[in-house]
Amino acid sequence: GAVVSQHPSWVICKSGTSVKIECRSLDFQATTMFWYRQFPKQSLMLMATSNEGSKATYEQGVEKDKFLINHASLTLSTLTVTSAHPEDSSFYICSAPGLAGGGWQETQYFGPGTRLLVL
Amino acid sequence: QKEVEQDPGPLSVPEGAIVSLNCTYSNSAFQYFMWYRQYSRKGPELLMYTYSSGNKEDGRFTAQVDKSSKYISLFIRDSQPSDSATYLCAMSLYGNNRLAFGKGNQVVVIP
Repeated sequence: GAVVSQHPSWVICKSGTSVKIECRSLDFQATTMFWYRQFPKQSLMLMATSNEGSKATYEQGVEKDKFLINHASLTLSTLTVTSAHPEDSSFYICSAPGLAGGGWQETQYFGPGTRLLVL
Repeated sequence: QKEVEQDPGPLSVPEGAIVSLNCTYSNSAFQYFMWYRQYSRKGPELLMYTYSSGNKEDGRFTAQVDKSSKYISLFIRDSQPSDSATYLCAMSLYGNNRLAFGKGNQVVVIP
């Protein structure tokens, strides 16, 4: 299956600083990537859809100035949490559409996640 | 009503038992149905993928889709401690790769 990587895998930062998380599709190209956040024992919550070469689409209630998304190439999307606060501490996961089912069905492949702790 | 309903459990079973998980959904337009497995502090990994109604088997895993009842199931036979994880159901529309997720079921297989 397709491989999606994320970097860093975990980060601790001080309140007020900005943190950048990278999401890469390693063996395929992705014009679209998705960013989720997940709180402990909760399901994934879609934050935004990252579109290569154009602006991201944010879900209702997600501050676009707080969570900056850049999708500058077909294999890389970045999420920057600006002026991070303790309530931004969470598990951030990206995904990219890829082919499954013998190569004709599209599904989502997820990165390993980035754990953010804001002190 | 949420688009996808999944009783979050948790579910504890002895090793070797059959694990049965299910989700219901409200949008009859969903065409693609997936089960993801997520280990603690890891990203979800695709476990099973089915299109429309029917059964699909892969080793110890069987996925069932009943579109008439808007109900999908995942069965794990001969469960192993390594199957202990959270299982998320997900589904999407034709031509749309946004996923609607269930809350996830935490499964613990006791040796």
